[in-house]
Amino acid sequence: QKEVEQNSGPLSVPEGAIASLNCTYSDRVSQSFFWYRQYSGKSPELIMSIYSNGDKEDGRFTAQLNKASQYVSLLIRDSQPSDSATYLCAVNSNGGFKTIFGAGTRLFVKA
Amino acid sequence: DTGVSQNPRHKITKRGQNVTFRCDPISEHNRLYWYRQTLGQGPEFLTYFQNEAQLEKSRLLSDRFSAERPKGSFSTLEIQRTEQGDSAMYLCASSLAWLAGVEETQYFGPGTRLLVL
Repeated sequence: QKEVEQNSGPLSVPEGAIASLNCTYSDRVSQSFFWYRQYSGKSPELIMSIYSNGDKEDGRFTAQLNKASQYVSLLIRDSQPSDSATYLCAVNSNGGFKTIFGAGTRLFVKA
Repeated sequence: DTGVSQNPRHKITKRGQNVTFRCDPISEHNRLYWYRQTLGQGPEFLTYFQNEAQLEKSRLLSDRFSAERPKGSFSTLEIQRTEQGDSAMYLCASSLAWLAGVEETQYFGPGTRLLVL
């Protein structure tokens, strides 16, 4: 079992729709969770971080964390073509230095 | 520009040659990470520095790889006797964290894309 698993996609949604991206992780002591966006040929850029169970909203983005189910998700509301990218889920143990990334989910937003 | 910078941005080399990459982190950041990313995969952890101390090295890192961070500022990653399998994007990230359990965010540089022929 991979340490951080994501559906590779591609996930295709129409412009204006909600895109839902999911991630599961295997290490129960994980404490820090991140979503990065990566455009083709570019480096990852941080979108959201979440550390506690529940929802965290930032603009059009909402991260959801359920530690009991070892599950973290990212919702993108009012999806725009510029949101088309690969979304990487990353997980870090409490105070640990090693961040484990999933392989990413490719998102296409159709105009 | 106060972000993480990496040089060179692209490197093409022949198999067997040595290459060295440089990373300049955000100035006040004390942690520095190196990752490798291949097509269709997420970044894979290679090594980590807390100030000038290299605290962990991934099993992915063979003896041909070495990293340094003299004086706790910039870092270099050297690959000796390159192989075609070393072709990848090499990413550097930095963060500011002092205590275990403190929330930490890593900021990535633009990466160095290596092609070994």
